[in-house]
Amino acid sequence: AQSVTQLGSHVSVSEGALVLLRCNYSSSVPPYLFWYVQYPNQGLQLLLKYTTGATLVKGINGFEAEFKKSETSFHLTKPSAHMSDAAEYFCAVRDGGSNYKLTFGKGTLLTVNP
Amino acid sequence: DTGVSQNPRHKITKRGQNVTFRCDPISEHNRLYWYRQTLGQGPEFLTYFQNEAQLEKSRLLSDRFSAERPKGSFSTLEIQRTEQGDSAMYLCASSRRTSGGAGDTQYFGPGTRLTVL
Repeated sequence: AQSVTQLGSHVSVSEGALVLLRCNYSSSVPPYLFWYVQYPNQGLQLLLKYTTGATLVKGINGFEAEFKKSETSFHLTKPSAHMSDAAEYFCAVRDGGSNYKLTFGKGTLLTVNP
Repeated sequence: DTGVSQNPRHKITKRGQNVTFRCDPISEHNRLYWYRQTLGQGPEFLTYFQNEAQLEKSRLLSDRFSAERPKGSFSTLEIQRTEQGDSAMYLCASSRRTSGGAGDTQYFGPGTRLTVL
């Protein structure tokens, strides 16, 4: 069965600092990996995804993530945090087969301090 | 492309009552998903439709839950005899089948927040 672990339920950074949100997954087949962001009382918005090909994936709002198969990781980074980045971030995995459901981590709440 | 819409956005009900939620997917998206999100948790998969066919149901979907997608367009999720444990955000997502399935990206609606008193 698939699972996703997000290390750190709450990450706090200063504006302009590096953002690093960690995600490790388990999957019995090559996975498809996703990062979503959720603002209060809203649905989830896709930040970026990895399916095949280049392991460094660039997304919206300056975020990027790197798929490391040997470490079963898909950490999300952004060089310089902005106040508007404050939100909850979810990592999700899907099997590369015909199983289309997403399995999510528990989320990481990002706080950006002025 | 107007995005996935869900109605109502909020629902407060008394224990034992029935509730129904509606999801309108992005037009031409043939796949539709329901997830449930409780406080402090990530979304959990409930069920999935391809066109009008319900192809997978989670063990979370008890007999009190039923989902339909008539004509392969909008979907409804009904909860009968609601319990306090049903209080959660119910999220709908849709996607479009792509060649090979690799690009199947789910787009989420704003959710329906259910509170059972």
